[in-house]
Amino acid sequence: AQSVTQLDSHVSVSEGTPVLLRCNYSSSYSPSLFWYVQHPNKGLQLLLKYTSAATLVKGINGFEAEFKKSETSFHLTKPSAHMSDAAEYFCVVSNQAGTALIFGKGTTLSVSS
Amino acid sequence: DTEVTQTPKHLVMGMTNKKSLKCEQHMGHRAMYWYKQKAKKPPELMFVYSYEKLSINESVPSRFSPECPNSSLLNLHLHALQPEDSALYLCASSQVSGSEAFFGQGTRLTVV
Repeated sequence: AQSVTQLDSHVSVSEGTPVLLRCNYSSSYSPSLFWYVQHPNKGLQLLLKYTSAATLVKGINGFEAEFKKSETSFHLTKPSAHMSDAAEYFCVVSNQAGTALIFGKGTTLSVSS
Repeated sequence: DTEVTQTPKHLVMGMTNKKSLKCEQHMGHRAMYWYKQKAKKPPELMFVYSYEKLSINESVPSRFSPECPNSSLLNLHLHALQPEDSALYLCASSQVSGSEAFFGQGTRLTVV
């Protein structure tokens, strides 16, 4: 069955330093992968998506992710963290039937000044 | 218009009440979803509607009853809920099922 594993439940960085949020996927097919962000008491916002085009995907707010089939990974990065990046981040995969989105457990990003 | 609108934003209901959550989108999307999110947990899929037909029901108790009156609207009817059903209920839509989804702000439900 398709699934995603977010390798860190909590990541802490200082403002201005790089961000790395790790996600591995398990799938017997070529999946669609997404990163979503959720700020406290808010809905979910799509950061970026991979749908088998370019393996390096650029998203909003300076985030990007690289699809690596050999490593079954889809890690999210940002060169320089901003205080407003503090939020919950979810790595998401489409299910095998391609009919719904399945969420990873989430990574809480904290940014200190 | 890239919004998914959910009403109400907050709802407190007793265990014997009947209430409904509403969701609306005007992006021409043909798939709509209900997710349930408990505090500090990821969203869990409840229902998927594709072209106004229920395509996925993730073994959700019958006290939750979805309805899709037309391609823009999605309702979730609630009856005889339990306190453990208190959660954030998120509606989402996508062009077709399984593609990138746009989420509403959610309804914070408290069952007392």
